[in-house]
Amino acid sequence: AAGVIQSPRHLIKEKRETATLKCYPIPRHDTVYWYQQGPGQDPQFLISFYEKMQSDKGSIPDRFSAQQFSDYHSELNMSSLELGDSALYFCASSGDRDYEQYFGPGTRLTVT
Amino acid sequence: RKEVEQDPGPFNVPEGATVAFNCTYSNSASQSFFWYRQDCRKEPKLLMSVYSSGNEDGRFTAQLNRASQYISLLIRDSKLSDSATYLCAVNRRSGYALNFGKGTSLLVTP
Repeated sequence: AAGVIQSPRHLIKEKRETATLKCYPIPRHDTVYWYQQGPGQDPQFLISFYEKMQSDKGSIPDRFSAQQFSDYHSELNMSSLELGDSALYFCASSGDRDYEQYFGPGTRLTVT
Repeated sequence: RKEVEQDPGPFNVPEGATVAFNCTYSNSASQSFFWYRQDCRKEPKLLMSVYSSGNEDGRFTAQLNRASQYISLLIRDSKLSDSATYLCAVNRRSGYALNFGKGTSLLVTP
């Protein structure tokens, strides 16, 4: 079965640079969630979209923004990167009336 | 205080043992409960949804106790391949996004 696709899988950036992470949900899933997982931490919710509208907001810094496009893929834009932004960034998707979330393989962001 | 609390372990058990994890949550209005398995540096994989009536999938059994606000996961006949971190997840107050516990580490030894 098709899974959530994330790109890139690995990304190295310098402080103050920008980064864009992409997420392609499971086909026919209309909800996308972004989570950040720091070393030794549990995943922390950043933001979610349902039918291309922001549906919930968690601990997402003001330097980050995200959107969901007409084909349901989502992009997380990160600016003025800081060393503390180094983490695994997971995208998860769920279908209508199905609250189970399926995670993509993640993007490992390293900020130097 | 975290919304979802778990004993971090580690739990070290021999093959074939039965092991149980508990997780408590603070939002009494929560509606969705899940157990995820996470291997090192990989994505969380959905193990089970947890329903009020409890549910079982092979060697895995999950239970929900709403009155005491905890969920549990029981693993019977542990396999070496069960070694992983088990994350408890509960929906946030504001919607369907998840709050996770810090995870319980399980190591199954020969």
